[in-house]
Amino acid sequence: AQTVTQSQPEMSVQEAETVTLSCTYDTSESDYYLFWYKQPPSRQMILVIRQEAYKQQNATENRFSVNFQKAAKSFSLKISDSQLGDAAMYFCAYDVSGDKLTFGTGTRLAVRP
Amino acid sequence: NAGVTQTPKFQVLKTGQSMTLQCAQDMNHEYMSWYRQDPGMGLRLIHYSVGAGITDQGEVPNGYNVSRSTTEDFPLRLLSAAPSQTSVYFCASSRDSRVGAFFGQGTRLTVV
Repeated sequence: AQTVTQSQPEMSVQEAETVTLSCTYDTSESDYYLFWYKQPPSRQMILVIRQEAYKQQNATENRFSVNFQKAAKSFSLKISDSQLGDAAMYFCAYDVSGDKLTFGTGTRLAVRP
Repeated sequence: NAGVTQTPKFQVLKTGQSMTLQCAQDMNHEYMSWYRQDPGMGLRLIHYSVGAGITDQGEVPNGYNVSRSTTEDFPLRLLSAAPSQTSVYFCASSRDSRVGAFFGQGTRLTVV
């Protein structure tokens, strides 16, 4: 069974600084997809960024980028120029077939003004 | 552009009562799924469907039933509510792995 581990229950960053959230996963599949979802206090799950395992190039979406290390089964999220609106729960997730996601337990990010 | 619509947003049940959480999507997605979110445990898969007429169990299916009679709708039924089912429930739909899943706004369910 696939597992996703987020070892940082809480993180804190100063506004305008950079923070990295960690995620590791376990799978025997060679083709799969990885995602970071953001959950603000509104409870809505928002897709932040996605990575296809067969692509070596790390995904980037504006201030959000990932460091994908396939051999190490690591998928960290870097948030640059942190903003107050980035404060939220962040979930790492894994998918192989498109029909279901396996989530980590989440990292709560606080942004200090 | 509605996306994934869940109803109700909040619900309080008494132990032993039954209810159905509704989920509808207007994106013609084949894949739909239900998750529950509990503190410190992330989101866990309850049931999922790969198309109309096809459903399967996820990680925590006990106490829940689903059906998928149309592509658009995927209701979740609690047959006899228990306090352990107090949670936030999310419905999601997706086209394929490359795009990722779209989520409803969630239902906060309290069983007393």
